[in-house]
Amino acid sequence: NAGVTQTPKFQVLKTGQSMTLQCAQDMNHEYMSWYRQDPGMGLRLIHYSVGAGITDQGEVPNGYNVSRSTTEDFPLRLLSAAPSQTSVYFCASSPGPSYEQYFGPGTRLTVT
Amino acid sequence: ILNVEQSPQSLHVQEGDSTNFTCSFPSSNFYALHWYRWETAKSPEALFVMTLNGDEKKKGRISATLNTKEGYSYLYIKGSQPEDSATYLCALRGGADGLTFGKGTHLIIQP
Repeated sequence: NAGVTQTPKFQVLKTGQSMTLQCAQDMNHEYMSWYRQDPGMGLRLIHYSVGAGITDQGEVPNGYNVSRSTTEDFPLRLLSAAPSQTSVYFCASSPGPSYEQYFGPGTRLTVT
Repeated sequence: ILNVEQSPQSLHVQEGDSTNFTCSFPSSNFYALHWYRWETAKSPEALFVMTLNGDEKKKGRISATLNTKEGYSYLYIKGSQPEDSATYLCALRGGADGLTFGKGTHLIIQP
């Protein structure tokens, strides 16, 4: 089992560029989520999904888009990158939100 | 947005001492309370998920208790070791399906 994988590990974008952060899991988990981690702010939920075809917004969804076409994959799209989106992004999966979350290794994104 | 508070923000403890810290949360619409351990340059790893008032969970020297009526959970570490140095996060599932994390307690064990 690879667990939860995220690509890329590092990315530098210019303001206004778009990109997709990839997240995949091989544990057949229904629940997947995206968080951003900023100094002094802890982990903040961006979007989550309770199963293929179902997504919902978290605490800080603006500027991000998600879709869940398969159980395994949950990509996060930045539509027009802004410096405020400079952060470390973590993807997590689990059988459900009342089960322990398995986190990916993170993607460090810098927007200049 | 649910308010999940952790205290203290940081804590220095001598090796061998025991310690504990707190996670406070709104007691209405409670579904589950999670604890995670987060080492520098790694990803958060689950310690416990608790769902029932009065729950107590234990893993080695680390244990946790839950009081959903008053809205708090304690994490205890017995006989701290240098490898316990990490940030400890709690997260609440309350109402909706998303998790709300606290900002964490940064624990440093001094030899």
